[in-house]
Order: sequence, then C-alpha cells, then structure tokens
Amino acid sequence: ILNVEQSPQSLHVQEGDSTNFTCSFPSSNFYALHWYRWETAKSPEALFVMTLNGDEKKKGRISATLNTKEGYSYLYIKGSQPEDSATYLCASTAAGNTGKLIFGQGTTLQVKP
Amino acid sequence: DVKVTQSSRYLVKRTGEKVFLECVQDMDHENMFWYRQDPGLGLRLIYFSYDVKMKEKGDIPEGYSVSREKKERFSLILESASTNQTSMYLCASSHRGQGHQPQHFGDGTRLSIL
Repeated sequence: ILNVEQSPQSLHVQEGDSTNFTCSFPSSNFYALHWYRWETAKSPEALFVMTLNGDEKKKGRISATLNTKEGYSYLYIKGSQPEDSATYLCASTAAGNTGKLIFGQGTTLQVKP
Repeated sequence: DVKVTQSSRYLVKRTGEKVFLECVQDMDHENMFWYRQDPGLGLRLIYFSYDVKMKEKGDIPEGYSVSREKKERFSLILESASTNQTSMYLCASSHRGQGHQPQHFGDGTRLSIL
C-alpha cells in the first residue's frame, strides 16, 4: 500500500449503534498514525496519535487500535450519538518525514436519531 | 488551547488574480502546513514549513508559493489564480517532531475562482 486508504467512504447508522472504520497505511518505515474528527463548519480536531504496534487509545466512547506490522488501524465508536456525525480522517507519517502526514480520504459518519 | 486563525472563511476571486491566504497560530509551533481538500480526495499537502524562512514542497505545489517571515504566520500565495484552484484550504500547525505531534487546524477558507 503506497497511500493511506479508509473504508468505508460513508456510513449511516442509528443512534445507539456501535460502529467501526478501517485505515490502511504503508507499514514500511512507519512512524505514527493519527486520527482526526472533522465536524461540518468546524476545524479538524485531533483524536489520537499512535506509534507502537498494539497501541490502543480511548477517549470516551471512541477508541482506536494500531497494527503496524500489517499496516492498519481501527476506530471504534460505541453507542453512536448524533453528535458523533462527522468525517473521520486518518493520516500516517514515515520516519524522517519531519512531521508530514499522508491523509486518507476520510469516512463520513451520519448518526440518525 | 491552540488557536490557528485563517484570515477568511469565504473568498471569491477572479482568474489571473494574485491571491493571498493568511494563517496565524498562537502556540509558538515550529511546523506549519497548507492543505487543500477536494471531495473524495482527502487533505492534500501543498507546502509546509518547519522554521522561519524554511519551506518544503508538499504533494501538489504547482501554482502555489508560500512565505514564512515570522514564526506565527504562514501565507499561501496563488500566483495567478485558476478555476482548478477552487477548493477548501486548511492551515495547520504543530510542534517540531517526526510526526508524533498532533496537528492543529484552522477553520478553513473556501476559495472560489471565477
């Protein structure tokens, strides 16, 4: 994988459903994986930065895992709420890249009340 | 909280005009970035700067230039605007590092070139 790829591109769920998205990234020379949430009319907001294989991070009902050997990360949302509706972006960076991120195209989540 | 401020939320310019997009951050970050976001393509890096007067091309620098005369300010310049530069432009900043520092974003400028 040369680029960062996210799936699905969009997702519609009912309030209370749990959901997850996938981010695939180049595993060679990997340094860090970022997740951002981008709500409409706001700026993207950092959720997590993970660097180590097996990392798991949690923020309220949102959690993320990292597998650097196979090059994927999952973002989980437990009990989705309408305020979780947003585009979720992941981005990876390789060692020596001085902070440059390669972004995926995002997963847009719509939570229906 | 980190504040990244972009000069305009919406901007309409004409083909051939020279366009300046300004970005200011208040957290003494070394790194600053300019991205554009187009439907289905995600954020694409135009230019970034890791120090005053330092700049590096990103993935899509053609038709753009940048200026960083002061640490807190990073300007994106469209030398001669064209319709294919109609897009959402996002500025971001972060502390120096190899990529484990989160980026902090401005609200974006939606630029239309007529």
